[in-house]
Amino acid sequence: DAKTTQPNSMESNEEEPVHLPCNHSTISGTDYIHWYRQLPSQGPEYVIHGLTSNVNNRMASLAIAEDRKSSTLILHRATLRDAAVYYCMTINYGQNFVFGPGTRLSVLP
Amino acid sequence: DTGVSQNPRHKITKRGQNVTFRCDPISEHNRLYWYRQTLGQGPEFLTYFQNEAQLEKSRLLSDRFSAERPKGSFSTLEIQRTEQGDSAMYLCASSVTFNEQFFGPGTRLTVL
Repeated sequence: DAKTTQPNSMESNEEEPVHLPCNHSTISGTDYIHWYRQLPSQGPEYVIHGLTSNVNNRMASLAIAEDRKSSTLILHRATLRDAAVYYCMTINYGQNFVFGPGTRLSVLP
Repeated sequence: DTGVSQNPRHKITKRGQNVTFRCDPISEHNRLYWYRQTLGQGPEFLTYFQNEAQLEKSRLLSDRFSAERPKGSFSTLEIQRTEQGDSAMYLCASSVTFNEQFFGPGTRLTVL
């Protein structure tokens, strides 16, 4: 079965960069890597996705390891509104969507 | 509001009863997903529709669970003979492609 692991929690100071890691060692060559975040009492919110190359959007950057067994979500300047649980997710063979356990990010003022 | 909506937002039921949840996706989205989330865990995939066709079901989805999307628009998730282990948040999402799913606020189920 697909297995995705993430650190349980991380802490950052406001306006500093944050690097959130994810290991997805069983990923196959055609599986996309996605990141979502979830605020309390809300459904997850899409952040970014990629396949092989690093990706940037207005919210974040995604760095994907060359072997694709890990990825890192980068928030360039954390704000208090970025405090949330961050999930990486892969779509494995058969269109089964596998979320990691999530990393709770705390942002300190 | 043009986001994904779910009803009811909360449901309390007694063990053994049947429950049904509804999801209304964003109107132009042909893909619809159901997930289950327990406290402190990431969402677990249950099933996926493209238009009215149910294309994938997780092994986690026991025979007591059934989902439909009769006209390719709204979807329902029914749980028969509920058990205490079914208590969770049930999330629905919709999308145009796999790569950006829009989630609803969820239905929280409590089985007493």
